[in-house]
Amino acid sequence: SQKIEQNSEALNIQEGKTATLTCNYTNYSPAYLQWYRQDPGRGPVFLLLIRENEKEKRKERLKVTFDTTLKQSLFHITASQPADSATYLCALADNYGQNFVFGPGTRLSVLP
Amino acid sequence: NAGVTQTPKFQVLKTGQSMTLQCAQDMNHEYMSWYRQDPGMGLRLIHYSVGAGITDQGEVPNGYNVSRSTTEDFPLRLLSAAPSQTSVYFCASSYSQAGASTDTQYFGPGTRLTVL
Repeated sequence: SQKIEQNSEALNIQEGKTATLTCNYTNYSPAYLQWYRQDPGRGPVFLLLIRENEKEKRKERLKVTFDTTLKQSLFHITASQPADSATYLCALADNYGQNFVFGPGTRLSVLP
Repeated sequence: NAGVTQTPKFQVLKTGQSMTLQCAQDMNHEYMSWYRQDPGMGLRLIHYSVGAGITDQGEVPNGYNVSRSTTEDFPLRLLSAAPSQTSVYFCASSYSQAGASTDTQYFGPGTRLTVL
């Protein structure tokens, strides 16, 4: 069956450290993968997209990797700040290329 | 641009009541979709539309109807509300479908629905 999993429901880290979130998928062949941020009471907001032929993508303090052999994407936030506390969702296109499928999300808390 | 707007923000219904969740976007996006978000289950697709006059079912369509008479609007109807439909509902839009391009989705602020 098809599945998208994010490694943990919640992750607590100390301010200034690097947060690493994991997204694993099964029985999908995505051409790209996206990461979204969701704050409480709000809709998800797009952060980064990485294509299957890209190993790594960076945007300011964010870095995403994509390993199609392992069927895994890692999302890193360097020099984390309390303002980075949110739920982070990964998403990919389904095998019909019609719709996005979302992982359950990881709730990140950055402690001062 | 207002982006994607949803009304109402909160709603409480009794079992068996009907209602329509409104969604509108002003970005001239062809693709619109409705998701529900439940704890631990992520966003699940209810219905989607690839353009005015065209709709299709997603992963969890039962109990919901949609229509797309204009590019801007994509209302979601609950015909006879059930407690299992208690959830947060998000409307989203994008320029095209997920596989057609690398376009991203823009989400509305959500509607929190409780069915008693």
